[in-house]
Amino acid sequence: GQQLNQSPQSMFIQEGEDVSMNCTSSSIFNTWLWYKQDPGEGPVLLIALYKAGELTSNGRLTAQFGITRKDSFLNISASIPSDVGIYFCAGQKGGKLIFGQGTELSVKP
Amino acid sequence: GAVVSQHPSWVICKSGTSVKIECRSLDFQATTMFWYRQFPKQSLMLMATSNEGSKATYEQGVEKDKFLINHASLTLSTLTVTSAHPEDSSFYICSARNSSTNEKLFFGSGTQLSVL
Repeated sequence: GQQLNQSPQSMFIQEGEDVSMNCTSSSIFNTWLWYKQDPGEGPVLLIALYKAGELTSNGRLTAQFGITRKDSFLNISASIPSDVGIYFCAGQKGGKLIFGQGTELSVKP
Repeated sequence: GAVVSQHPSWVICKSGTSVKIECRSLDFQATTMFWYRQFPKQSLMLMATSNEGSKATYEQGVEKDKFLINHASLTLSTLTVTSAHPEDSSFYICSARNSSTNEKLFFGSGTQLSVL
């Protein structure tokens, strides 16, 4: 079946540092999305990407949709403690979402 | 913004009993809702697509008789875990999309199921 490979699995960084994570897929998706999930909660949408090559920002977050529609990255600049959580990429096709394995981010004050 | 309400937030039940989880779209109509399962430290795995007024579509490997889905109205889908066993313990999450605008999916806050 379709799979999204997300890396890294976990990151431990110092407050103020920039963070980068990415996802790759063997399949083409129409839409790529990045979510953040806090413990015991459902995922919350951070950024949605609709066009190949699209670069979109949301505050300190920046994400890009790869030209081939098979990959995407998410950057977080100047991390703060509340950035802690698990970040998921997701590819959308036909209304369904396929999620990556997640990147667990820990931020040390 | 659009809100999806999921209830209960957590439930503990005895092995062999059935548990019903509700997913409601509070301010929009959703002809399609999705049910996911998430084990600790793992990704969300799509279980089934819930279609209003018709049968749900299950992903490969998901037992339809085990996980009963009912989407009787445009704002409510229910997932019933029948004859629950400890291995069914997991975090269940629903999502829904506004049928009128077909905009982004909104997720519920999840239900933590623990089967003793």
